[in-house]
Amino acid sequence: EAGVTQFPSHSVIEKGQTVTLRCDPISGHDNLYWYRRVMGKEIKFLLHFVKESKQDESGMPNNRFLAERTGGTYSTLKVQPAELEDSGVYFCASSPRTGRNSPLHFGNGTRLTVT
Amino acid sequence: GQQVMQIPQYQHVQEGEDFTTYCNSSTTLSNIQWYKQRPGGHPVFLIQLVKSGEVKKQKRLTFQFGEAKKNSSLHITATQTTDVGTYFCAGSNNNDMRFGAGTRLTVKP
Repeated sequence: EAGVTQFPSHSVIEKGQTVTLRCDPISGHDNLYWYRRVMGKEIKFLLHFVKESKQDESGMPNNRFLAERTGGTYSTLKVQPAELEDSGVYFCASSPRTGRNSPLHFGNGTRLTVT
Repeated sequence: GQQVMQIPQYQHVQEGEDFTTYCNSSTTLSNIQWYKQRPGGHPVFLIQLVKSGEVKKQKRLTFQFGEAKKNSSLHITATQTTDVGTYFCAGSNNNDMRFGAGTRLTVKP
């Protein structure tokens, strides 16, 4: 089976610009998660979709971040306007079952650099 | 809120030496998962521990879950160069999963 794919793999933008990250989960996985890792820090939870619904968005840092999952398939994460502290690696993960007992399948991540 | 602390942050060993990373939670966990991220790669699920005092083995890797379900460890016996990467623990409590900062392991041949 194809794994979780993320696009782009790298993005370098200037402060104030907009960036949209995309994640295609494993086919059939209803659960989709976004995480962010800043160098040397923990993998921090951003939000969780179940199909097209936001199950938990408590980790979203502020209203500059907007995540969508129209149709319950792929998801996008938009950062507008980007700030320097938004730099990091954004991981998407999916799982077939809801609940924190389900192992997560991660994508390769998008490395975002805001200059 | 729940916090998961992981130590050490870095560990450099000679090939053949043992390695251990420790994970501690501020709250009691329902389960803990371990992931490995190879350089340039993404986190890959290794194992999940659920029961108090549980011990699981995968070849040279031994995973333990503390009796109080607040700490866990991953021990690698006789490290090999293929073990290099960052090892993350992820603790779950009440539908809330938190990752540690990871332990980056390097192995000198």
